[in-house]
Amino acid sequence: DAGVIQSPRHEVTEMGQEVTLRCKPISGHDYLFWYRQTMMRGLELLIYFNNNVPIDDSGMPEDRFSAKMPNASFSTLKIQPSEPRDSAVYFCASSFRNRELFFGEGSRLTVL
Amino acid sequence: TQLLEQSPQFLSIQEGENLTVYCNSSSVFSSLQWYRQEPGEGPVLLVTVVTGGEVKKLKRLTFQFGDARKDSSLHITAAQPGDTGLYLCAFTGNQFYFGTGTSLTVIP
Repeated sequence: DAGVIQSPRHEVTEMGQEVTLRCKPISGHDYLFWYRQTMMRGLELLIYFNNNVPIDDSGMPEDRFSAKMPNASFSTLKIQPSEPRDSAVYFCASSFRNRELFFGEGSRLTVL
Repeated sequence: TQLLEQSPQFLSIQEGENLTVYCNSSSVFSSLQWYRQEPGEGPVLLVTVVTGGEVKKLKRLTFQFGDARKDSSLHITAAQPGDTGLYLCAFTGNQFYFGTGTSLTVIP
């Protein structure tokens, strides 16, 4: 079975541009998580969904960030407008009954 | 506020040496997990510990959960270059919150 699939793997954009990161979780998993990883702050939980419903978005840094999960096989994380301090690796992870996280390979975002 | 503190932050050792890394918090966990992350990859689960005082072994890796379920340790025996990576502890509940991580480099 395919693992968690994220796209794009790398994104370089200019400040002020909109960025959309995509995630396809493992089929049958009922939880989906978005994390951001930086050297300074480590792996931060941004938001998580259960059965496509957002449960906790308290980790979303500000209103420029939004996440959706329109169906069980797809989620997006959008940043609009992007800023240089948003540069990080963004990970999507899924799990079944919250037992174990399966991570994608990450999307490395650079905002110039 | 960092709920999970890991130490040391960085560790560089020679192949064949033993090492221990730590994960500490002031909170009690229902369960705790250890993950390893290699460069360019996402973290991968190594083990889940649930019971206070529990010890689990995975080949050369030994994981211990503190009696009070507030801390955990990971001991690696005879480290190998393939053990190089970022070791993360995470407490589990409804969410998965990760510690600050220990970056391990094993020099051949």
